[in-house]
Amino acid sequence: DTGVSQDPRHKITKRGQNVTFRCDPISEHNRLYWYRQTLGQGPEFLTYFQNEAQLEKSRLLSDRFSAERPKGSFSTLEIQRTEQGDSAMYLCASSPRQINIQYFGAGTRLSVL
Amino acid sequence: GQQVMQIPQYQHVQEGEDFTTYCNSSTTLSNIQWYKQRPGGHPVFLIQLVKSGEVKKQKRLTFQFGEAKKNSSLHITATQTTDVGTYFCAGQYSNDYKLSFGAGTTVTVRA
Repeated sequence: DTGVSQDPRHKITKRGQNVTFRCDPISEHNRLYWYRQTLGQGPEFLTYFQNEAQLEKSRLLSDRFSAERPKGSFSTLEIQRTEQGDSAMYLCASSPRQINIQYFGAGTRLSVL
Repeated sequence: GQQVMQIPQYQHVQEGEDFTTYCNSSTTLSNIQWYKQRPGGHPVFLIQLVKSGEVKKQKRLTFQFGEAKKNSSLHITATQTTDVGTYFCAGQYSNDYKLSFGAGTTVTVRA
């Protein structure tokens, strides 16, 4: 499968715990995006990378959220001290250099108890 | 801020009927994209519109980009059960790679 891969698919955690998600983009896609989606809403932009550089972060992204893409390939999204309001589907997408068509992964569904 | 509004939120359609979903931005878009998300799935790219007044067709789906590049529509003819899902428009603004998604139109089909 050469699509965008996300791991884990589901994560249940207790409030206050830290969680980390991983995204493997399509090979050779230089841009990688993180979105959050809650029930009945469209994906909401969180941050994006061009190669290893994080070029934009949403104002919605609190200090508890951090993302990395150390070698310009896979990316991780970490949420520290999770809150119940963090419960959502976290989607990763990647796009090729030539055109900004975004290919989404299956997402990681986070439930904070 | 830059925001894309989409209506209606829900569309209940009799199989065989047509329907349209609309998107509107308060500011000019660089391009607009449409995605489909099946229940339990993830958004899947359908099409991108770039030019003012552009119209593109994919079988029973017709996509239109407004002359002012601020609005777009998706029209589906002869709806089938396979059309069930949520259709999102996503706008891209100049000098910006992120997409601003509408809230989506969730389509259900009565056989």
